Amino acid sequence: AQTVTQSQPEMSVQEAETVTLSCTYDTSENNYYLFWYKQPPSRQMILVIRQEAYKQQNATENRFSVNFQKAAKSFSLKISDSQLGDTAMYFCAFMKPQGAQKLVFGQGTRLTINP
Amino acid sequence: DVKVTQSSRYLVKRTGEKVFLECVQDMDHENMFWYRQDPGLGLRLIYFSYDVKMKEKGDIPEGYSVSREKKERFSLILESASTNQTSMYLCASKVGDSSYEQYFGPGTRLTVT
Repeated sequence: AQTVTQSQPEMSVQEAETVTLSCTYDTSENNYYLFWYKQPPSRQMILVIRQEAYKQQNATENRFSVNFQKAAKSFSLKISDSQLGDTAMYFCAFMKPQGAQKLVFGQGTRLTINP
Repeated sequence: DVKVTQSSRYLVKRTGEKVFLECVQDMDHENMFWYRQDPGLGLRLIYFSYDVKMKEKGDIPEGYSVSREKKERFSLILESASTNQTSMYLCASKVGDSSYEQYFGPGTRLTVT
């Protein structure tokens, strides 16, 4: 079974700073997807960024980028030039592309951006 | 835009009651999921469905059942609510195998007293 671990329950940074959220996972699969989802306060969960395991290049979406280290089974999210709207719970998630395509989530990191 | 709606944002029920949580999606998605979210545990999969009348157990199905009579609607049923089922419940949907992204509803915060 796959497991996902986020070791930082809470983080807090000042607006405009760069912040990195950590995620490690455990799997015996070679082909899989990794995701970061964002859950703003009282709002719906949305997908921030995804990474396919077969791709060596790290994914980037505007101010969001990942550092994917397949051998180390590490998948961190970097938020550059952080904004107040980035305040949210962030979840790291794993998915096998075959079968039911279920998401396995980490425990979450509560990120607060301070003005 | 994909829209996933849940019947209630907040719900308070008594121990032993039968509870229905409804989820509706408007994008003709094949796959639908029910998760519960608890602090420090993240989201855990309860049940999922990949087609009408088809369902599979997730990681924590005990005490729950589901129903999918129509493609757009996926119901989570607590047969006899207990206090340890107090939680946030999230529904999600996705297109079949060709797409990876799950779209989430706003969640239902259920309190069982």
